[in-house]
Amino acid sequence: AIQMTQSPSSLSASVGDRVTITCRANQGIRNDLGWYQQKPGKAPKLLIYAASSLQSGVPSRFSGSRSGTDFTLTISSLQPEDFATYYCLQDYNYPFTFGQGTKLEIK
Amino acid sequence: QLQLQESGPGLVKPSETLPLTCTVSGGSISSSSYYWGWIRQPPGKGLEWIGTINYSGSTYSNPSLKSRVNISVDTSKNQFSLKLSSVTAADTAVYFCARRPVGLDQFDYWGQGTLVTVSS
Repeated sequence: AIQMTQSPSSLSASVGDRVTITCRANQGIRNDLGWYQQKPGKAPKLLIYAASSLQSGVPSRFSGSRSGTDFTLTISSLQPEDFATYYCLQDYNYPFTFGQGTKLEIK
Repeated sequence: QLQLQESGPGLVKPSETLPLTCTVSGGSISSSSYYWGWIRQPPGKGLEWIGTINYSGSTYSNPSLKSRVNISVDTSKNQFSLKLSSVTAADTAVYFCARRPVGLDQFDYWGQGTLVTVSS
């Protein structure tokens, strides 16, 4: 199974900050990666698919990029509603695998 | 608006089979444009992909769960189901069902999740 190593596991930031979260795959997965936001007690919400495509209805402050097997989620200017846990998911092959998650907290 | 709703017992005894159903409303499960999946999340932990099925019944499941997983689809009821056998306390989790469009390949619609506790 493909391993997705996500970092950092937690992050403290302030409203207005620019933050980046990274997932590294242990083999090539093309652009077959998505990013999700999860708030406590809720289902995950798809933000980005195909590494850099913004899901419909998601604010443009969210963006995704890829460099080789490294994938980055960037939030350009944190808003209060962005404090949540973020996960990556590779859909290159089965079994699909998630990163361990990054908890984004208010500083 | 598409909606997915998980249903099943909240408590299952160790060694028994965990049965869950996902009912899809506002759209047809019979479309060839979608796969349907199960994902779980143990309390306080991360997400784990369990498996996926399409309208014709083609399935893929996580080998980490060995052969304990059975996923099926009932197009007449617009539902798909998960059965996880020989459960242990490690299977205690919130179980989500979700839709995965072909081409998009990520899960764009999710159920609210249902907590299943394995305990005697």
